[in-house]
Amino acid sequence: AQSVTQLGSHVSVSEGALVLLRCNYSSSVPPYLFWYVQYPNQGLQLLLKYTSAATLVKGINGFEAEFKKSETSFHLTKPSAHMSDAAEYFCAVSDFSFSALNFGKGTSLLVTP
Amino acid sequence: GAGVSQSPRYKVAKRGQDVALRCDPISGHVSLFWYQQALGQGPEFLTYFQNEAQLDKSGLPSDRFFAERPEGSVSTLKIQRTQQEDSAVYLCASSSRTGSRTDTQYFGPGTRLTVL
Repeated sequence: AQSVTQLGSHVSVSEGALVLLRCNYSSSVPPYLFWYVQYPNQGLQLLLKYTSAATLVKGINGFEAEFKKSETSFHLTKPSAHMSDAAEYFCAVSDFSFSALNFGKGTSLLVTP
Repeated sequence: GAGVSQSPRYKVAKRGQDVALRCDPISGHVSLFWYQQALGQGPEFLTYFQNEAQLDKSGLPSDRFFAERPEGSVSTLKIQRTQQEDSAVYLCASSSRTGSRTDTQYFGPGTRLTVL
């Protein structure tokens, strides 16, 4: 089965600092990986996805992620944090059958002034 | 255009009551998913529909959970004889293609179920 592990349930950064949210995957087939963001009382919104084209994937709101097969990682980064980036971030891998998503436990990002 | 909508947004039920949660997917989307998100956790897959056919219900936690999508659009998740452990946010997602692992799933805002 395909799965992801998010390292760090809470991450705190200062406004303007680099954001790095970690995700490692386990998959028996080439993985398709996703990052979603969830704001309070809202559904999940897709930030970006890796579908085996370019290994560096650019998403919305200045986020990007790099697929590294050798490290089985798909970490999410943003050069400069904004206060509006404070939210819950989920890494997910597409399951082999019927494309259901297997999510990590999430990382809560706090941005301090 | 309209996104995925869910109703009600909040539901409080007494233990033992039956509840029905509704999902309106994006128009024309053939794939529909239900997920359960417990407090402080990531969403977990419950069931999958391709049009009106329920192709995977392996994530439904017990036979008290039942989902349907009779006309291939609106879906209802029903929970019978609710228990406290059913308290969670229930998320619905839809996507435009059938079973494509690369397709984007669009999520609704969820229904927060609290069982007292």
